[in-house]
Amino acid sequence: GAGVSQSPRYKVTKRGQDVALRCDPISGHVSLYWYRQALGQGPEFLTYFNYEAQQDKSGLPNDRFSAERPEGSISTLTIQRTEQRDSAMYRCASSSGQGDYYEQYFGPGTRLTVT
Amino acid sequence: QQQVKQSPQSLIVQKGGISIINCAYENTAFDYFPWYQQFPGKGPALLIAIRPDVSEKKEGRFTISFNKSAKQFSLHIMDSQPGDSATYFCAATTGRRALTFGSGTRLQVQP
Repeated sequence: GAGVSQSPRYKVTKRGQDVALRCDPISGHVSLYWYRQALGQGPEFLTYFNYEAQQDKSGLPNDRFSAERPEGSISTLTIQRTEQRDSAMYRCASSSGQGDYYEQYFGPGTRLTVT
Repeated sequence: QQQVKQSPQSLIVQKGGISIINCAYENTAFDYFPWYQQFPGKGPALLIAIRPDVSEKKEGRFTISFNKSAKQFSLHIMDSQPGDSATYFCAATTGRRALTFGSGTRLQVQP
């Protein structure tokens, strides 16, 4: 079946603009995670959801970052008043929620560039 | 900050050789340790994972060795092939939570 999809794949925006990044998880996956990955580094956790409930948002850098998953499927990560330091690859992952250990499957990412 | 420390940063291995990547963790609550493989321009792909109740897990040419007392685990790639050239990330978590990743190892397998 289809994997995790993310859109847009590339986003260039000017400093101060708001951006919305979208994640469409694997069908039926109840858990959804957002990570940010700097070049040459491992992904860093931002936030995650079980169904529509945001379980942990401790990784969000500041209050310009927010995420939602209103119907328990597609999720949107929104960055307000973007800054150059927000430039990174933003990755989404989903897991089935079955069993004790949740295997996470990653999407291709959205490359955000703030100019 | 919960950390997972990964080494080496880069690794060059001849075709047919063994690639070994090491990780160490601090949080004893971690109970799930996956390895991800990432090719340029792609997202991380789950390769193999282990739980702390076993000391070794093998899948094909890939083996995870786990040392709970030392809080270390490693990935061994046997008979390394040029197609294995990628960046490898170790990670750890408590079951259902977000993953904490290592910094990555860029593996190059020379023909």
